[in-house]
Amino acid sequence: KNEVEQSPQNLTAQEGEFITINCSYSVGISALHWLQQHPGGGIVSLFMLSSGKKKHGRLIATINIQEKHSSLHITASHPRDSAVYICAVNYGGSQGNLIFGKGTKLSVKP
Amino acid sequence: NAGVTQTPKFRVLKTGQSMTLLCAQDMNHEYMYWYRQDPGMGLRLIHYSVGEGTTAKGEVPDGYNVSRLKKQNFLLGLESAAPSQTSVYFCASSSYSGPLNEQFFGPGTRLTVL
Repeated sequence: KNEVEQSPQNLTAQEGEFITINCSYSVGISALHWLQQHPGGGIVSLFMLSSGKKKHGRLIATINIQEKHSSLHITASHPRDSAVYICAVNYGGSQGNLIFGKGTKLSVKP
Repeated sequence: NAGVTQTPKFRVLKTGQSMTLLCAQDMNHEYMYWYRQDPGMGLRLIHYSVGEGTTAKGEVPDGYNVSRLKKQNFLLGLESAAPSQTSVYFCASSSYSGPLNEQFFGPGTRLTVL
């Protein structure tokens, strides 16, 4: 079974800290997605990547295809970054279907 | 531009009752998806549609039916609700099906089956 594992499950940080969330998967993929689920429940896409690194503001996503691993970094964390961060992978195929990790719940304290 | 909307936001059903969840998108997307999210588990795909008039089963389709009569709407039906269907349901849509397709999510429907 294709699986997506995230670590840690829960993470508490102080405002300003550098944060890393990890995602690993079991077989080769076509692309990896990072999503954010707000405390109110809404889900938004942060990054989609198939290789290398992407940056948006204070968020950076990297992927190592050979090691089947991706990381999401948050620099200078802020309480508004508190959310659940979800990793999802696309194993190919014509439907664009994603397999989701269980999420990492981040809480940033002021 | 409302994006993806879901109706209703909350619902409580008794075992055996039926209901339909409505998902609507105004982005002219071809692809639409229904997911369920349960505590301690990742989002799981129930059914999806690759275009108007087409539907297909996802990972956990049992107990659900879907219809896509209009491109902008994707309906999820529960014919005879069971407590195991208590969950938060998310609808999503995307413009194409490639690996880097961005999926746009609705706000979710919290369903409780007693």
